[in-house]
Amino acid sequence: KAGVTQTPRYLIKTRGQQVTLSCSPISGHRSVSWYQQTPGQGLQFLFEYFSETQRNKGNFPGRFSGRQFSNSRSEMNVSTLELGDSALYLCASSMDRGNTGELFFGEGSRLTVL
Amino acid sequence: GQSLEQPSEVTAVEGAIVQINCTYQTSGFYGLSWYQQHDGGAPTFLSYNGLDGLEETGRFSSFLSRSDSYGYLLLQELQMKDSASYFCAVWAPDGANNLFFGTGTRLTVIP
Repeated sequence: KAGVTQTPRYLIKTRGQQVTLSCSPISGHRSVSWYQQTPGQGLQFLFEYFSETQRNKGNFPGRFSGRQFSNSRSEMNVSTLELGDSALYLCASSMDRGNTGELFFGEGSRLTVL
Repeated sequence: GQSLEQPSEVTAVEGAIVQINCTYQTSGFYGLSWYQQHDGGAPTFLSYNGLDGLEETGRFSSFLSRSDSYGYLLLQELQMKDSASYFCAVWAPDGANNLFFGTGTRLTVIP
């Protein structure tokens, strides 16, 4: 079956702009979570959606937001971009919290803020 | 809070065995997972230890000692394609469906 698909794969923005990233989970997966990956901070949890509801949120400012649609596809938005937002944004999907610690990740959207 | 520490870099020879360690501090523990990530690629799940002991999956094994808050990933018969970053991770302590990741270990396999 198809994996997790993220679009766009690469994008360049300037400070102050906003960006929207998209994630299509594996068919049947209702949980979608987002992570930010940077060389200095590693993989950090942003938020998780399940059945269109945000269930959990990491320690990120309100400029970071997201939503999930009825087909489980998810988007995340970053407003008023800062240089420090340059990162790889990863989406992961799963049925729900399982017993094996397995999440299925997409290849990410690499954001560069100039 | 959650804290997972790993060595930042490890280098090993093709065909050899390498061990990547992970020590953790967490307010609630629900098992230790390992992920592999090649440059430019998605993190992919390798293994999970919910209980103490060794779990084996082909050339990869993972070990957990809950009393020591310690685990490791063992890679045998190293191949060049094993050059990647490896992350240990724990579930959020409050039952949420998200993982806290370690700092990551970059493994370089040399001929």
